[in-house]
Amino acid sequence: GAGVSQTPSNKVTEKGKYVELRCDPISGHTALYWYRQSLGQGPEFLIYFQGTGAADDSGLPNDRFFAVRPEGSVSTLKIQRTERGDSAVYLCASRDGNNSPLHFGNGTRLTVT
Amino acid sequence: GENVEQHPSTLSVQEGDSAVIKCTYSDSASNYFPWYKQELGKRPQLIIDIRSNVGEKKDQRIAVTLNKTAKHFSLHITETQPEDSAVYFCAASSGTYKYIFGTGTRLKVLA
Repeated sequence: GAGVSQTPSNKVTEKGKYVELRCDPISGHTALYWYRQSLGQGPEFLIYFQGTGAADDSGLPNDRFFAVRPEGSVSTLKIQRTERGDSAVYLCASRDGNNSPLHFGNGTRLTVT
Repeated sequence: GENVEQHPSTLSVQEGDSAVIKCTYSDSASNYFPWYKQELGKRPQLIIDIRSNVGEKKDQRIAVTLNKTAKHFSLHITETQPEDSAVYFCAASSGTYKYIFGTGTRLKVLA
């Protein structure tokens, strides 16, 4: 079946611009996560959705970052006034229950110039 | 806060030898421990997982052991092959939604 889909796969933007990253989880998975991964590092937690609500957004680095999941399926991560330090791979993952594995998308590689 | 330490950060082995990667977790409530393999430019993919009610699990050349008392778990790969070369991440979850990842081990299998 279809896995977690993320678009775009690559995004290059200029410092100060706004970007949106999209995640389409596995059908039926109610839990959705966003992670950020810098080169040589493990995935860093950003935000977790259970259904439509953000149950934990404690990993968002600052108020330039925001994420939504209005219908409990597709999620969008939004970054305002991008900075060069935002450059990383943004990974989305979903799962279908507690203590079950996370299924990751291929990620969006964001480059801020 | 919760923390997962992973060692070594890099590991080189000769083809056919075994590789062992170790992780230590801090949250004693952790009860689910997945391992992910990430090839360059690709998504992390689950290769094996273990729950706290067992001490060992094996799948062909891959095995994971868990020591709850010491709060550590290990990944063992036997008869390594060049295609095993990748970055491996451990993670720990306490049965809620949180998955804490280790910092990764870059495994290089030398032909």
